[in-house]
Amino acid sequence: AQKVTQAQTEISVVEKEDVTLDCVYETRDTTYYLFWYKQPPSGELVFLIRRNSFDEQNEISGRYSWNFQKSTSSFNFTITASQVVDSAVYFCALSEVATNAGKSTFGDGTTLTVKP
Amino acid sequence: GAVVSQHPSRVICKSGTSVKIECRSLDFQATTMFWYRQFPKKSLMLMATSNEGSKATYEQGVEKDKFLINHASLTLSTLTVTSAHPEDSSFYICSARGTRTGELFFGEGSRLTVL
Repeated sequence: AQKVTQAQTEISVVEKEDVTLDCVYETRDTTYYLFWYKQPPSGELVFLIRRNSFDEQNEISGRYSWNFQKSTSSFNFTITASQVVDSAVYFCALSEVATNAGKSTFGDGTTLTVKP
Repeated sequence: GAVVSQHPSRVICKSGTSVKIECRSLDFQATTMFWYRQFPKKSLMLMATSNEGSKATYEQGVEKDKFLINHASLTLSTLTVTSAHPEDSSFYICSARGTRTGELFFGEGSRLTVL
């Protein structure tokens, strides 16, 4: 069965600090997708990244970067020089393609608070 | 790239009415779509799997008669919350799996508020 663990329930940092949100997953599939979503206080779900299991290249998008390590089953998310607007709940999700036809399991989320 | 669109993004309705939420794959065909719900201060949980041309498969504990799912075409699945009550207020999100490529995409979500 697929499982996603976001061990950090809440993180609080001061603006301009770097922060890493951890995501560890479990799957028996060789083909799967990993996602990160941001949910700001307004409630909508903002898509950040989708990565398939065959692409282990790390990705950088502005202040955001993602480190995908299949060897440790982790897909960590780093925000560099955090800003108050980064305050949100961040969800990591896993979708198995072969055994679960694309059903997704979400982690419990990490609440990030960036203080000015 | 491929896009999944949900409509409406926000809806407010009175208790007892029914509300329909649409999930469309805009530039690809999706045999399978999934519906998720988020409870307050909780993560998102799978409600049901929607298969084009057949009945949806519901997760344990989800009321089939309450949450009607229809997947009438390869690009559209709808979730109808029937006789909505305040406890149905939630964030609902769908995902769609491309028939040809197997890729998976999420919609933007729909926030339902039942007064």
